[in-house]
Amino acid sequence: KAGVTQTPRYLIKTRGQQVTLSCSPISGHRSVSWYQQTPGQGLQFLFEYFSETQRNKGNFPGRFSGRQFSNSRSEMNVSTLELGDSALYLCASSFSQGAGETQYFGPGTRLLVL
Amino acid sequence: QKEVEQNSGPLSVPEGAIASLNCTYSDRGSQSFFWYRQYSGKSPELIMSIYSNGDKEDGRFTAQLNKASQYVSLLIRDSQPSDSATYLCAVVPSGSARQLTFGSGTQLTVLP
Repeated sequence: KAGVTQTPRYLIKTRGQQVTLSCSPISGHRSVSWYQQTPGQGLQFLFEYFSETQRNKGNFPGRFSGRQFSNSRSEMNVSTLELGDSALYLCASSFSQGAGETQYFGPGTRLLVL
Repeated sequence: QKEVEQNSGPLSVPEGAIASLNCTYSDRGSQSFFWYRQYSGKSPELIMSIYSNGDKEDGRFTAQLNKASQYVSLLIRDSQPSDSATYLCAVVPSGSARQLTFGSGTQLTVLP
């Protein structure tokens, strides 16, 4: 079974621009979560989607948003990019919404904001 | 106070030795615990999940959970140079649905 895929893998943007990242979960998985990883803050939870609904949101500003489509694919958008948004953005999928469900990570999108 | 604490390391062990990685968490109601391995420049890869007090073994890896002490550990037996990576402890706090809260990771180096 194919794993979680994320596109693009690398992205360079300038301050003030916006960016959209895409995630395709493992086939059959309906929950998609997004995380940001930086050297200073580590891995931090952004939000989680299940059945096209945002179920949980981390402590990030409203510039960070996302959505999920009926085929469980998900996108996240960051508007008005800041230098501090440079990070590895990781998507993780799981089969259901159970708290004990294992989350499997994609390869990530590395975003550099200049 | 961080919700999940790990010794940042780096931790160095000789090849063939046992590597011991430790993690404490602050939310007593947490029920789900995970260890992920992350190689430099790569994404986290699941090693173990554990939900009940005690030990759980999978090959060379053993996860240990003590909810009373709010402590979870990972032992790697017969450590290999390929085990050199950052090991991330992740916890699902109570009431947070599927939100994984990660420690800062412990960097492990296995010396040949």
